[in-house]
Amino acid sequence: GAGVSQTPSNKVTEKGKYVELRCDPISGHTALYWYRQSLGQGPEFLIYFQGTGAADDSGLPNDRFFAVRPEGSVSTLKIQRTERGDSAVYLCASSLTVGNTEAFFGQGTRLTVV
Amino acid sequence: GDSVTQMEGPVTLSEEAFLTINCTYTATGYPSLFWYVQYPGEGLQLLLKATKADDKGSNKGFEATYRKETTSFHLEKGSVQVSDSAVYFCALTPTQGGSEKLVFGKGTKLTVNP
Repeated sequence: GAGVSQTPSNKVTEKGKYVELRCDPISGHTALYWYRQSLGQGPEFLIYFQGTGAADDSGLPNDRFFAVRPEGSVSTLKIQRTERGDSAVYLCASSLTVGNTEAFFGQGTRLTVV
Repeated sequence: GDSVTQMEGPVTLSEEAFLTINCTYTATGYPSLFWYVQYPGEGLQLLLKATKADDKGSNKGFEATYRKETTSFHLEKGSVQVSDSAVYFCALTPTQGGSEKLVFGKGTKLTVNP
């Protein structure tokens, strides 16, 4: 595709449920990033992948959050036992490589936990 | 840890007015500095960047200069247009040129009236 695609664009879930958020990066981009943006805040780093492996997952808030990128392209962010505090916009970005290259962002998935 | 502080908004200007959005940072080492913009209904886009001290980034009439002595990267534009209405985020990465682990400020909403 032409840009980074995230699905769904909106997700409402009940507290305690499991959710998956999907990111399709720009074709050929080896680096993929997840960020979380709470209301009135800037995006906060969660994790990034170089290829299939998570190069840095230091931003994941706790063990309820997990992300995979099994074939080095599409990535899924998984949240178990969702809590109301998980409500935010989850942003995905990709870049050609990690290094001196621009990161392109998707429009995000707005997650609401009720 | 590394952090970015940018002026609180919202900022409202008339068309053709001069714009300054202040940004200061705290970082160890030699970070790269960025301004991202988010237009209504769109994803974050890179506006400009600077990777070392005294570098000036520029794009679409916007400019920002990397000032190591004042740890600042203020965004300026001489004459804003209605189409510049958006949310602007100052950001840094810990390494020169890298896209990984962007640290964002809270964002400044700019509204330009005709």
